[in-house]
Formats: sequence, structure tokens, C-alpha cells
Amino acid sequence: DVKVTQSSRYLVKRTGEKVFLECVQDMDHENMFWYRQDPGLGLRLIYFSYDVKMKEKGDIPEGYSVSREKKERFSLILESASTNQTSMYLCASSPQRGDTQYFGPGTRLTVL
Amino acid sequence: QKEVEQDPGPLSVPEGAIVSLNCTYSNSAFQYFMWYRQYSRKGPELLMYTYSSGNKEDGRFTAQVDKSSKYISLFIRDSQPSDSATYLCATRTIGNEKLTFGTGTRLTIIP
Repeated sequence: DVKVTQSSRYLVKRTGEKVFLECVQDMDHENMFWYRQDPGLGLRLIYFSYDVKMKEKGDIPEGYSVSREKKERFSLILESASTNQTSMYLCASSPQRGDTQYFGPGTRLTVL
Repeated sequence: QKEVEQDPGPLSVPEGAIVSLNCTYSNSAFQYFMWYRQYSRKGPELLMYTYSSGNKEDGRFTAQVDKSSKYISLFIRDSQPSDSATYLCATRTIGNEKLTFGTGTRLTIIP
């Protein structure tokens, strides 16, 4: 079974803090993705990565950056957290381009 | 206008009923269509994956795509309380990694 894990289920941070969200997949998948999910807006793609050290912007990259130093790990970084970044963050991975995406359990981030 | 429109519900039906969930989309270049199920406080999991038009059946679930009307449907037969979840439709074009999601429909099956 594909397993995508995220470092925290719930996280509370203060405005201006630097926040790291970690995602690990154990199936040697090429592609990894970061989404945020908000009521009424659905899932929106923040960044994705086809390979180690490679990244591409999604639909809403502003205020976020990513890092992929190892194939199995994809990190989402909020350089200076703001209250409008309070959301559910979902990581996903897929084996090859165009394949099914498998999602992690999500991290619910609250920025106070 | 959103590229994929989905009625958010909530939708409540009695156990055993047939459930119909629907999405419409605007981009005729979309070729791959998916339905994800998301339980409360969990990540989405893939239910059905279809290419282009037609029907696909898997147990109690049937996915239907009508490209002429840009309409995507998921039917659940003999619905069970364990089917209570949010259902998300998603689509993408050929050669594009980006999935475009509907906002999700929250479904409750009443025992």
C-alpha cells in the first residue's frame, strides 16, 4: 500500500513565524504535490515537484516555498506565516507523470 | 467561473438508496476524470479514474463521463452509512500534472 505521511496532524503557529510542513512517501514516487483545502474553494495546488531539487509553481504559490532534497521527502515552507494561511494542507505523490495521486492525511494549520 | 463546478450539498439519503453525485466542467481539453472520497479529518482517496467519455463500474460505484455536455457523475448503489464522506471530482488534461478539483459534495447516509 502506498503510504504518504505528514509530520503533524494539527499545528498552531503565530503570525510571522516560519513554518515547515513535512511530507514523506515510501513508494519511490517521482512526483510530489502540496495543496491547501479551504471550505467553498476545494483543493488548490501550491507547488509540485517532478524530481529531486526540482519544483514548479501551482495555482497559489505566493507566500510559500518548497524543498525537495531527497526523493521521498517534500517540504512546504511558510516564510512568514499569516492568518490567511490558516488551512488544511495536503501532500500527495504519484509514481510517474499523469498517474494517480495518493494523498496524505493532511495537516490542519492555524495561524494566530 | 470555476473550471469545475460541484454542488457542495450537504446531501442526506436513507441507507440503501441510489446516490447520484455530479460535476460540470468548462474546459473541453479535460480528458481524465477522477472521483475521490474524503472522510472527515482524512486525506482524499481515489475511488474511480476514467479516461474520456463512457462508464466505468467498480462494485457499487459507477462513474460516468459525458464529454458532449461536460458532465461527470458518480452513482453509488445500495448506499451504506460507511459511504458518508465528502466526494470530490477532479480532472486534468493530457500531459498536465495539475488536477483541477471540484469543491466537494458532503454526503450523509442515514441508517
